Amino acid sequence: NAGVTQTPKFQVLKTGQSMTLQCAQDMNHNSMYWYRQDPGMGLRLIYYSASEGTTDKGEVPNGYNVSRLNKREFSLRLESAAPSQTSVYFCASSEGPIGSYEQYFGPGTRLTVT
Amino acid sequence: DQQVKQNSPSLSVQEGRISILNCDYTNSMFDYFLWYKKYPAEGPTFLISISSIKDKNEDGRFTVFLNKSAKHLSLHIVPSQPGDSAVYFCAARGLNNNDMRFGAGTRLTVKP
Repeated sequence: NAGVTQTPKFQVLKTGQSMTLQCAQDMNHNSMYWYRQDPGMGLRLIYYSASEGTTDKGEVPNGYNVSRLNKREFSLRLESAAPSQTSVYFCASSEGPIGSYEQYFGPGTRLTVT
Repeated sequence: DQQVKQNSPSLSVQEGRISILNCDYTNSMFDYFLWYKKYPAEGPTFLISISSIKDKNEDGRFTVFLNKSAKHLSLHIVPSQPGDSAVYFCAARGLNNNDMRFGAGTRLTVKP
């Protein structure tokens, strides 16, 4: 039972390049989330998927797109990377979108855009 | 607009003593509060939570206190152990899990 896994662990991009961050969970959770963490700030929600087949914007969605590929997988895409997107990205999942369900986090992807 | 604030970036305590981590929030609509712990190169892991209908919740060495009138919560760790050294994030949300707001974190160091 691996929990939430993310690939890659590290990535360096040049401005304007694109990439997709992958996330998978094996806990049969319905809801999945993408966050970014910047120095001196808490985690901020980029996009979430309350259930398979749905996605919605979070607090900081600009410059990103997501795909809920199936119940297990939720990917985050940067179409044209910018230095402001240098951050650590965390994927998380929870049993449901509503109620006292805590979120389980993956180990993170450290992205640098030069 | 930081709705959840952890004003102490770091805290250092001696092993065996109490660690008290503080958190303030501004949104009165929050009704569920959580603490997460994060080790380097790992994702945050859930530690303890409290609903707005309670003012205290305990789990072993960890106790969270909520003062709704002051919009303040705190995490007490007693006794502190070196393995507790990590960054602690306070988080708060309403009914929906998709609206969780995090504080910037407090780095706790427990010295042997």
